Amino acid sequence: DAKTTQPPSMDCAEGRAANLPCNHSTISGNEYVYWYRQIHSQGPQYIIHGLKNNETNEMASLIITEDRKSSTLILPHATLRDTAVYYCINPQYGNKLVFGAGTILRVKS
Amino acid sequence: DTGVSQDPRHKITKRGQNVTFRCDPISEHNRLYWYRQTLGQGPEFLTYFQNEAQLEKSRLLSDRFSAERPKGSFSTLEIQRTEQGDSAMYLCASSSRAPATNEKLFFGSGTQLSVL
Repeated sequence: DAKTTQPPSMDCAEGRAANLPCNHSTISGNEYVYWYRQIHSQGPQYIIHGLKNNETNEMASLIITEDRKSSTLILPHATLRDTAVYYCINPQYGNKLVFGAGTILRVKS
Repeated sequence: DTGVSQDPRHKITKRGQNVTFRCDPISEHNRLYWYRQTLGQGPEFLTYFQNEAQLEKSRLLSDRFSAERPKGSFSTLEIQRTEQGDSAMYLCASSSRAPATNEKLFFGSGTQLSVL
């Protein structure tokens, strides 16, 4: 079973920041948090991952709370092409990713 | 890096027929995963290989399903005696290490199976 909790859907205006929350209250000290997204009819795409520190790459920023029980994925300037399902994953069992239902992000013009 | 390749992209079959899908992972990746995804759900893990060894199988993988990775490179997923409930997107992914070890998975575009 997935070990993370995400809102089922969110809306965001084009050009604005999209902030997607995730709760992972059972995370252990050496476990990573991964974010993937899936655009309709495509395979999931890796976005970013982190352990303790905040992370940033060309796609997004990941903010992890100090107690590591939750995180927020930030798309700084959302575009229509960012409309997708976003998955937050804590691979506790090591050998595979277990996906939940994710958050449907709708970016609107 | 040519990415993970899956073939065919779409497959339509009649109930009771056998189907086989192929996955070509990124060449240097020794781990290969199969997932199944139905409409409105997240991908569900089916099985994974490390090199040619199949190390884990989900209870979702009934005895009608078989996966192979004979030389540790490409993999095939076969479904025998297909049922309408097998209709789904079948996704393949690869990586060089386990996800828990600071490693990301790369996914293919999937094979969409429709069983009539």
